[in-house]
Amino acid sequence: GENVEQHPSTLSVQEGDSAVIKCTYSDSASNYFPWYKQELGKGPQLIIDIRSNVGEKKDQRIAVTLNKTAKHFSLHITETQPEDSAVYFCAASSHGSSNTGKLIFGQGTTLQVKP
Amino acid sequence: KAGVTQTPRYLIKTRGQQVTLSCSPISGHRSVSWYQQTPGQGLQFLFEYFSETQRNKGNFPGRFSGRQFSNSRSEMNVSTLELGDSALYLCASSSMGQQTTGELFFGEGSRLTVL
Repeated sequence: GENVEQHPSTLSVQEGDSAVIKCTYSDSASNYFPWYKQELGKGPQLIIDIRSNVGEKKDQRIAVTLNKTAKHFSLHITETQPEDSAVYFCAASSHGSSNTGKLIFGQGTTLQVKP
Repeated sequence: KAGVTQTPRYLIKTRGQQVTLSCSPISGHRSVSWYQQTPGQGLQFLFEYFSETQRNKGNFPGRFSGRQFSNSRSEMNVSTLELGDSALYLCASSSMGQQTTGELFFGEGSRLTVL
């Protein structure tokens, strides 16, 4: 069945360092890959997304890379700040359709940025 | 623009009871999706409604049901509650229009505790 594996489950970095979270998906038809950030007591919030026709996308300190052949994608956060501390989820669209609300989520990564 | 609103935010029920959760999407959004979030299973897709029709359904038993009204507001119902239904239930809305980005906007969730 559809599955998204996310690693690591926890990540602790010093302020200013970079953080990398990796995900692997199983459905070769998936074509939309968002990343969400969830802070305590809040719902997930989209921070960046990438579609399968693009290999890399960057937004200030955040970047995502996609390797369709290997079916994996990664989130890169540079110059981390304490406010980056949160749980991060990767996701992949189901059945190759990005035009629905069905996403398959990874298990999440708890990122702690130490001041 | 107001975000996705979910009510109630917290509720406690006992086994065997039923519960109804409500979601008001962002104005203009016609797609509403529901997700269950638990520490063990992570974020799992329940179902999605678009223009009052169920467009997608996840792998949950028939005790979980939903509906969408003409104003795009949605409700989900869980009957014959079990202890394992204790979770954060998240609603997400999306524009899913011609220029869709696929982005889901999540509410803060309804935290259900079953005793």
